[in-house]
Amino acid sequence: AQTVTQSQPEMSVQEAETVTLSCTYDTSENNYYLFWYKQPPSRQMILVIRQEAYKQQNATENRFSVNFQKAAKSFSLKISDSQLGDTAMYFCAFMNPKASNQFYFGTGTSLTVIP
Amino acid sequence: DSGVTQTPKHLITATGQRVTLRCSPRSGDLSVYWYQQSLDQGLQFLIQYYNGEERAKGNILERFSAQQFPDLHSELNLSSLELGDSALYFCASSVLIFGGKEGYTFGSGTRLTVV
Repeated sequence: AQTVTQSQPEMSVQEAETVTLSCTYDTSENNYYLFWYKQPPSRQMILVIRQEAYKQQNATENRFSVNFQKAAKSFSLKISDSQLGDTAMYFCAFMNPKASNQFYFGTGTSLTVIP
Repeated sequence: DSGVTQTPKHLITATGQRVTLRCSPRSGDLSVYWYQQSLDQGLQFLIQYYNGEERAKGNILERFSAQQFPDLHSELNLSSLELGDSALYFCASSVLIFGGKEGYTFGSGTRLTVV
């Protein structure tokens, strides 16, 4: 089974600053997908960003970007110009498109943006 | 609104009882996934259906069962409920049989409290 590890249970950042959330995963596969989901206090799960493992270029979505290190099996999320609305739980997720019908989620990082 | 509808939003029931959670996937999506999120935990995959057929099983208890109907909505049945079954139950959908690079679209969840 795949494992996804988020080693930072809680983090905080000042508004307008930059923060990086860490995620590592374990797999023997070469092709897979990685995702970051955001869960605000409303509990809705919202897709933030995704990365295909065969792409070397790091994904970027506005203020959100990833640092994908395939050899190190690392997939960190950088949030720039943090906003109060970024306060949420962030989950890293792994999906193997060939063999798995489910996503494997990490245990989450609770991010608080401080005004 | 993600397009995935879950009802009810909240459910309080006693131990030993049986409940049914309902999910309507996003229009055009054939796959439905059920996840359980216990307090301060990540999401645990329970089961997946694709176009009416069960496709994958995760950590689903024998007391739990699910089905997907011809109109593609899905129901998760939880019986002989225990206090430990209290959790947020998410439904997610995708157009593909596998998750795909687009990821899932999640519903807003059903919060089950067993007293």
